[in-house]
Amino acid sequence: QVQLQESGPGLVKPSQTLSLTCTVSGGSISSGSYYWSWIRQPAGKGLEWIGRIYTSGSTNYNPSLKSRVTISVDTSKNQFSLKLSSVTAADTAVYYCARAGSYYGRFDYWGQGTLVTVSS
Amino acid sequence: QSALTQPASVSGSPGQSITISCTGTSSDVGGYNYVSWYQQHPGKAPKLMIYDVSKRPSGVSNRFSGSKSGNTASLTISGLQAEDEADYYCSSYTSSSTPYVFGTGTKVTVL
Repeated sequence: QVQLQESGPGLVKPSQTLSLTCTVSGGSISSGSYYWSWIRQPAGKGLEWIGRIYTSGSTNYNPSLKSRVTISVDTSKNQFSLKLSSVTAADTAVYYCARAGSYYGRFDYWGQGTLVTVSS
Repeated sequence: QSALTQPASVSGSPGQSITISCTGTSSDVGGYNYVSWYQQHPGKAPKLMIYDVSKRPSGVSNRFSGSKSGNTASLTISGLQAEDEADYYCSSYTSSSTPYVFGTGTKVTVL
């Protein structure tokens, strides 16, 4: 059974960089044609797709965040990571990592989510 | 890329059937059979309930079914149960600048 677990600071100061890691267990991040995504959800609001990475390292980002987002993968640690720069209070949200079972979507496995608050 | 449109809330009594709509455009819902639905209980991660418009992952109750007509997809929950009370989100593959778009979300209340 595949499991995903987010980790990283729960509090980030404005203008700094938010950094999160998703550790995948129960399967290799390199096996299969899976796409690994970051998705966020502000309190009381809907889901927003941030970006994804394929095991080859190719990435796609939400245009609304593209200038500030970097997603990378470390296959040796079975992890992928998110960096979001120049954060503001609007970036405060629960951040989820998720596996897309195909290129076309279908998020079949999710992490439990981690709350990141942007505040001084 | 605008979010897909869902009703803010839908309610029903135990045992009844309810349907949640998800309206997009020909660039997303209408153009591809890659609509998925997620159930989210408070404080929990979303759970995949339907994918590819009408397919159910292993372990998901057959009380949940999906369909699509034109630019609108639908999730039907039959035999409504108290445990079905949750937020539901649709999602679609899209040919726009971002590969995925989510719906605005629907709160289902079991009366």
